[in-house]
Amino acid sequence: AQKVTQAQTEISVVEKEDVTLDCVYETRDTTYYLFWYKQPPSGELVFLIRRNSFDEQNEISGRYSWNFQKSTSSFNFTITASQVVDSAVYFCALRKGNTGKLIFGQGTTLQVKP
Amino acid sequence: NAGVTQTPKFQVLKTGQSMTLQCAQDMNHEYMSWYRQDPGMGLRLIHYSVGAGITDQGEVPNGYNVSRSTTEDFPLRLLSAAPSQTSVYFCASSLHAQTGFGAWGTEAFFGQGTRLTVV
Repeated sequence: AQKVTQAQTEISVVEKEDVTLDCVYETRDTTYYLFWYKQPPSGELVFLIRRNSFDEQNEISGRYSWNFQKSTSSFNFTITASQVVDSAVYFCALRKGNTGKLIFGQGTTLQVKP
Repeated sequence: NAGVTQTPKFQVLKTGQSMTLQCAQDMNHEYMSWYRQDPGMGLRLIHYSVGAGITDQGEVPNGYNVSRSTTEDFPLRLLSAAPSQTSVYFCASSLHAQTGFGAWGTEAFFGQGTRLTVV
């Protein structure tokens, strides 16, 4: 069975702190994709990153970085120098290689206080 | 480029009423899906489609019907609304692109969501 676990339900930090959101996944497939989405208070889902199972390179995009480790089945997301605008619910998701179906984690609510 | 368009944005139904949530995409994506979002449970797949005329059930299909007569449209029908169907509904589409190294695809593009309340 496929599963995504985001153990952190809520995280609260003060602006400029670094914060890491954890994501652990389970799958028996050799080809799969992992995603992070952001859901701000306005409710829409914003795509942040996609990573396929053959590419374990970490990625940095501005203040955002992602650490993908197949050995521990984890795809963690770090925000450096957090800002109030980063306050949102963040979802990690898993997609089986040749399907359009996504399996989401429960989501982590991040609150960044000024 | 409109992307994925969902209507309506808000809806209140009485128990037993029926309605259709509309979803349309203009990106010529093969995959389309419907998810519901409930507090503490993330998004769960209701139904999905890999192309016109092909649909299949997801994790929570009971009480919902779908059809896909065109590539662009993927409506979700509630046949007899129940309070347990109070939720936020999202439609999504994605591209399936085949390359020489196997099946690849894009991320899912989501509609704005529909907040449905069944009283």
